[in-house]
Amino acid sequence: EAQLVESGGGVVRPGGSLRLSCEASGFSFDDHGMSWFRQGPGKGLEWVSGINLIGDTRYADSVKGRFIISRDNAKKSLYLQMNSLRAEDTALYYCTRGGHFTSWYPGVWGRGTTVTVSS
Amino acid sequence: EIVLTQSPGTLSLSPGERATLSCRASQSIRDRYLAWYQQRRGQAPRLLIYDFSTRAAGIPDRFSGSGSGTDFTLTISRLEPEDFAVYYCLQYDSLPQTFGQGTKVEIK
Repeated sequence: EAQLVESGGGVVRPGGSLRLSCEASGFSFDDHGMSWFRQGPGKGLEWVSGINLIGDTRYADSVKGRFIISRDNAKKSLYLQMNSLRAEDTALYYCTRGGHFTSWYPGVWGRGTTVTVSS
Repeated sequence: EIVLTQSPGTLSLSPGERATLSCRASQSIRDRYLAWYQQRRGQAPRLLIYDFSTRAAGIPDRFSGSGSGTDFTLTISRLEPEDFAVYYCLQYDSLPQTFGQGTKVEIK
């Protein structure tokens, strides 16, 4: 069974940085594009960033220039480096299989890791 | 950016009833790139339907998707107790992928 487990969330001050990780199991990681989505408290779902098989990346305008998505196929892991964090980045961050570019829906979701940006 | 508008915001129904959820796009979604997700309280979204009408693995056949262009529908033929949750539509036709604001299906 395909599984994704996120980690690395926490409380950080505005302007700070955080690195999220997602460990995959139960499927061939290097055969799939991967993504990050987020859900603010009491809010809906938002696509954040995606990366394809060969490392091409895309970002939502709200995080472009501040967040960096990357992957390590040998470790079956996905990462999200989050810099210059803002209060509006506070959310539950989900790692997904798929959902990285157009024509690819997010089919498998992790349980999420919580990021809180507060002074 | 494609904006998805879901209606109604809340649907109050009894177990055994039929639920019809709507998702309208601000521009035509080509190539059937629309999906539906269920999110129960405290859980991650769960894929129900992709490519506007294909059920994901393990999804009961009481869930069905239909529509085309800008208007899409998720139908739950007979509500089971576990179906009371929030439902989101997602378009993956263009970036950024965008979700509707959700429809809450609650017990009447």
